[in-house]
Amino acid sequence: QQQVKQSPQSLIVQKGGISIINCAYENTAFDYFPWYQQFPGKGPALLIAIRPDVSEKKEGRFTISFNKSAKQFSLHIMDSQPGDSATYFCAASLSQGNLIFGKGTKLSVKP
Amino acid sequence: DVKVTQSSRYLVKRTGEKVFLECVQDMDHENMFWYRQDPGLGLRLIYFSYDVKMKEKGDIPEGYSVSREKKERFSLILESASTNQTSMYLCASSRRQGRGEAFFGQGTRLTVV
Repeated sequence: QQQVKQSPQSLIVQKGGISIINCAYENTAFDYFPWYQQFPGKGPALLIAIRPDVSEKKEGRFTISFNKSAKQFSLHIMDSQPGDSATYFCAASLSQGNLIFGKGTKLSVKP
Repeated sequence: DVKVTQSSRYLVKRTGEKVFLECVQDMDHENMFWYRQDPGLGLRLIYFSYDVKMKEKGDIPEGYSVSREKKERFSLILESASTNQTSMYLCASSRRQGRGEAFFGQGTRLTVV
């Protein structure tokens, strides 16, 4: 019930393409769904986040789509760039702030 | 600039040693966390703390303990290091309420030989 399942494990996209990463959860008590971006040698950093009362949130080239009934959410990266190459983690949080992370997706954007 | 600082980037310890990993945050956050990151397994929560002297077990607490004597400092202790504790350890902090952003340190790469 506490798991967040993330797919795919790795993703290769051409420059200018769309990168899509999917996550699913079981616990309906989760009330905050962030995405973190991690570059090699660095700690994860918050990229974008959504609350379950919203179906979509867009920040620049990054969009979260949220489907509450299906208990799924996804990250879309439009016009993917080589600088987007990183590991992406979805997460879900309970009200006290404890984050449960997916296993991560390693994204490579080819020039 | 907000900061979570982990005391070491790299550590090499021997099997059986007691190991201390230190983490300090300067954001006056109530919540602090220790995660372990392994390839293909993502970030797994070891322990977290909502307040000074308070701690809660995460998903993989076995072989670890923690200490939070001051609000800004959260220590992870490996009581008797073993080779299967070789990993990247990440500390994070966040506000208690508001389900806000968690800020991570740079990580400590621990190798137990």
